[in-house]
Amino acid sequence: RKEVEQDPGPFNVPEGATVAFNCTYSNSASQSFFWYRQDCRKEPKLLMSVYSSGNEDGRFTAQLNRASQYISLLIRDSKLSDSATYLCVVNIPSNSGYALNFGKGTSLLVTP
Amino acid sequence: DTAVSQTPKYLVTQMGNDKSIKCEQNLGHDTMYWYKQDSKKFLKIMFSYNNKELIINETVPNRFSPKSPDKAHLNLHINSLELGDSAVYFCASSQDGYLTDTQYFGPGTRLTVL
Repeated sequence: RKEVEQDPGPFNVPEGATVAFNCTYSNSASQSFFWYRQDCRKEPKLLMSVYSSGNEDGRFTAQLNRASQYISLLIRDSKLSDSATYLCVVNIPSNSGYALNFGKGTSLLVTP
Repeated sequence: DTAVSQTPKYLVTQMGNDKSIKCEQNLGHDTMYWYKQDSKKFLKIMFSYNNKELIINETVPNRFSPKSPDKAHLNLHINSLELGDSAVYFCASSQDGYLTDTQYFGPGTRLTVL
């Protein structure tokens, strides 16, 4: 079983739509959670950290459910510029401490 | 100004060759990382250095050797390149290496082994 699992999509949505991505992680010792965004042939960039209480940044809302080991990202009022791959990232104990583990990403395409 | 830079951006080489990728960050961060993103888009950590000291060394063949001459630089040397080494290699840095730190990624080096 993979450490971090995401639905790869693609999610094709019209502009203005609301779209939600889910992610599950397998290691209950994980402590930090993030969503990163990666545009085609570009580097990943932090979108937002995910806190236990849930957090919102403009049109983006992230939720964490530790009991279910589940993370979500909600994007409201989608823009064309939101088209990208969204990477769920979890820190997981490794043989040398903790290391960030990335999911394979969920691809989003927002269409006019 | 580029925060995390890598050279070269593209690298095409033959099997069996030895090559290096360089990374520099001008953010004043203490921790730097190397990641590999394969053709299936999985981004996986390879190494982490904090203040020139190796912190994380994931299960990576010993043909891969990172070198950190100072805390602003983390280079990756690869010996005896194999076809399976073809991937995009990303360098990243973060302030202290705490797991809540934001990691800033370089633009990537696309390595193709023929």
